[in-house]
Amino acid sequence: AQSVTQLDSQVPVFEEAPVELRCNYSSSVSVYLFWYVQYPNQGLQLLLKYLSGSTLVKGINGFEAEFNKSQTSFHLRKPSVHISDTAEYFCAVTQGAQKLVFGQGTRLTINP
Amino acid sequence: KAGVTQTPRYLIKTRGQQVTLSCSPISGHRSVSWYQQTPGQGLQFLFEYFSETQRNKGNFPGRFSGRQFSNSRSEMNVSTLELGDSALYLCASSLEAGRLSGANVLTFGAGSRLTVL
Repeated sequence: AQSVTQLDSQVPVFEEAPVELRCNYSSSVSVYLFWYVQYPNQGLQLLLKYLSGSTLVKGINGFEAEFNKSQTSFHLRKPSVHISDTAEYFCAVTQGAQKLVFGQGTRLTINP
Repeated sequence: KAGVTQTPRYLIKTRGQQVTLSCSPISGHRSVSWYQQTPGQGLQFLFEYFSETQRNKGNFPGRFSGRQFSNSRSEMNVSTLELGDSALYLCASSLEAGRLSGANVLTFGAGSRLTVL
């Protein structure tokens, strides 16, 4: 069975600092990986996805993630965060079907 | 292009009642999936519908059911509500069923927040 572990439940950073949100997955087969963001009182918005090809994936709002098959990781990074990045971030995995398995989420707090 | 629309956005029910939530997918999207989000269990897959047929189901009791109409709109129903059913219910749509691809990814609605008293 697939599972996703987001290693940090909360990450506080200062504005304009870099940030990395960590995600590890477990699966014995090829997977598709996603990062979604959830702003307060809203649904999930797709940040980026890895389906195949280049292991460095660029998404919206300046975020990027790197797929590392040997370490079964898909960490999310941003070189300089803004107050508006305050939200909860979810890593998700699927073997290709519509059923996504989500991590527990990482709450990113940006301090001025 | 309108996004995924879920109604109602907020509702309060009491234990034992039933509730119906509605989801209108993005125009042209034919697959609809439902997820439950709670603080304790996180985001969990409920079911997926395509062409009015349930294609996949998560590990939820039979009190949770859904259906899809010919225009791809979907409803989910929870009967005999329990306190633990309090959650944000998210609907997502995609172009097609089956394997995800560059064009076939899930787009989520804003959710329906259910409170059971």
